[in-house]
Amino acid sequence: QLVLTQSPSASASLGASVKLTCTLSSGHSSYAIAWHQQQPEKGPRYLMKLNSDGSHSKGDGIPDRFSGSSSGAERYLTISSLQSEDEADYYCQTWGTGISVVFGGGTKLTVL
Amino acid sequence: EVQLVQSGAEVKKPGESLKISCKGSGYSFTSYWIGWVRQMPGKGLEWMGIIYPGDSDTRYSPSFQGQVTISADKSISTAYLQWSSLKASDTAMYYCARLTVSAGHYFDYWGQGTLVTVSS
Repeated sequence: QLVLTQSPSASASLGASVKLTCTLSSGHSSYAIAWHQQQPEKGPRYLMKLNSDGSHSKGDGIPDRFSGSSSGAERYLTISSLQSEDEADYYCQTWGTGISVVFGGGTKLTVL
Repeated sequence: EVQLVQSGAEVKKPGESLKISCKGSGYSFTSYWIGWVRQMPGKGLEWMGIIYPGDSDTRYSPSFQGQVTISADKSISTAYLQWSSLKASDTAMYYCARLTVSAGHYFDYWGQGTLVTVSS
């Protein structure tokens, strides 16, 4: 079964970097994912699509501070030079056969 | 500019019916899937289903099959999510989003959300 696993929470200091992880279930390590950001009281925003080889394509207007990388079944979102507006929930998303969409449980990022 | 504009907040009673909408603009509406995503209060994102307005091909998450109906009117570039008999547990924010069709299937544009409150 295709499942995405995310840590429920993460924190990092203003101006620092943070790396969020999304883990694909066994047998699905070649899958691409997408990262989405949801700031408090706002709708989600697409950040980037991330392939298994680490190549990624970002959405419109996404700052260079956001980058993606991959290793095995893990997909990472790195945010550098953290700003207060980066405090948000981050969701990974992928797709299975028949275009069945799967979301991870989300990671709540706190900027200290 | 791609935009998905959703209908406004709704307050309904249990047992009532409801249809909310999502109007697309700035792209070829019939060439992309539109998906619906539920977010219950304080919870994460749940995929409900998708529709391809070009031919009305519709797919549902097993969790939502039979609970809601997804439709689209391509003549007015609008997708819909409807309930025939609401329950209190349907209280949530509902988002529509555009699903890419090339190089994978992921949501690349989102609507602003429609808050549905079901209470007696």
